[in-house]
Amino acid sequence: EAGVAQSPRYKIIEKRQSVAFWCNPISGHATLYWYQQILGQGPKLLIQFQNNGVVDDSQLPKDRFSAERLKGVDSTLKIQPAKLEDSAVYLCASSLASGSETQYFGPGTRLLVL
Amino acid sequence: SQQGEEDPQALSIQEGENATMNCSYKTSINNLQWYRQNSGRGLVHLILIRSNEREKHSGRLRVTLDTSKKSSSLLITASRAADTASYFCATDRGSTLGRLYFGRGTQLTVWP
Repeated sequence: EAGVAQSPRYKIIEKRQSVAFWCNPISGHATLYWYQQILGQGPKLLIQFQNNGVVDDSQLPKDRFSAERLKGVDSTLKIQPAKLEDSAVYLCASSLASGSETQYFGPGTRLLVL
Repeated sequence: SQQGEEDPQALSIQEGENATMNCSYKTSINNLQWYRQNSGRGLVHLILIRSNEREKHSGRLRVTLDTSKKSSSLLITASRAADTASYFCATDRGSTLGRLYFGRGTQLTVWP
């Protein structure tokens, strides 16, 4: 079984530029999560999708972050414009359904904003 | 905000020794999970313990949960250099929607 795929693995941009991350969850997993992990901290949830609907985006900075999950499969997370404090690892995870306890994580995208 | 707080922040031991990491949390929970993260990689699920369970085993892992003290511990027995990683506890804060709240993690280093 293929795991959660993410791309790119690394990205370096200057502040005020835009960036997008892509995630392909495990086949058949209805729930998809985007987490932000700042160096030295644990992951923090940004947004949770159930199929192509948003379950929780309360921690998403909506003035600059956006995410979509068209057709309930792949998802993209966009930052526009980026700030220095957005430097972090962006992790995508998926689970069979909301409430399914085990989440499967991708390798993450490491973003550096200069 | 972070939910769990792992203790210690860093732990350094020799191969063959046991490693114990603790986690404290603040709200009611349905279950508590432990994840491992190798440097530069994603998180890997290790074990889940439900709020009505007190102890659970999986291979060399032993997890305990004390809901009265809102704390959990992860014991890795006979540690190996390959166990070197960061270990995170995560809770659901009583929600059934699947969202997890992670602590800051314990960085475990196992020396050969």
